Amino acid sequence: DAKTTQPPSMDCAEGRAANLPCNHSTISGNEYVYWYRQIHSQGPQYIIHGLKNNETNEMASLIITEDRKSSTLILPHATLRDTAVYYCIVRVEFSGNTPLVFGKGTRLSVIA
Amino acid sequence: NAGVTQTPKFQVLKTGQSMTLQCAQDMNHEYMSWYRQDPGMGLRLIHYSVGAGITDQGEVPNGYNVSRSTTEDFPLRLLSAAPSQTSVYFCASSYSMPGTEAFFGQGTRLTVV
Repeated sequence: DAKTTQPPSMDCAEGRAANLPCNHSTISGNEYVYWYRQIHSQGPQYIIHGLKNNETNEMASLIITEDRKSSTLILPHATLRDTAVYYCIVRVEFSGNTPLVFGKGTRLSVIA
Repeated sequence: NAGVTQTPKFQVLKTGQSMTLQCAQDMNHEYMSWYRQDPGMGLRLIHYSVGAGITDQGEVPNGYNVSRSTTEDFPLRLLSAAPSQTSVYFCASSYSMPGTEAFFGQGTRLTVV
């Protein structure tokens, strides 16, 4: 079972910030928070990840609460091309690698 | 740099036929995995590999076989296709170290009739 909870769908006006929440109340100290998105039926695309600090890259910002039990993905200026399903994933990192386990994600619709 | 390449993109099989879905990556990634995605659902892990010669089962392994003889290739075999295996299949790869991103192929749409 996925270890995260996300709203099934959200709408956002084009040009506005899209804030996608994720609850991961059972996260442990060695688990990262990852965000991926899937546009239409393409392969998922990596967006960003973090452990405990906030992170920013050219696509988005990731805000992780101090207790690490929830996070928010922020798309600062959403465009129609950002319409997709967004997946929040927590992942334990061992010395090897562990699978990404996908839940159902949040379907973001950006509206003109 | 091709990334993760899946072939074929589309396939129709008859029940009971066998086939191999190909996945190749040119990034020297140790970790590779196969997922299936049914309509309106998230991705479910079928099998994964942490390196050549090492494979393990995911959430839905029944009906599928894998092997990893090289770092670059991770084929998925359907020995006797069933209509329940109609799905979109995605292959992914990544480096085997903490905090790395996974790269996905564009998928293979399989229909079993």
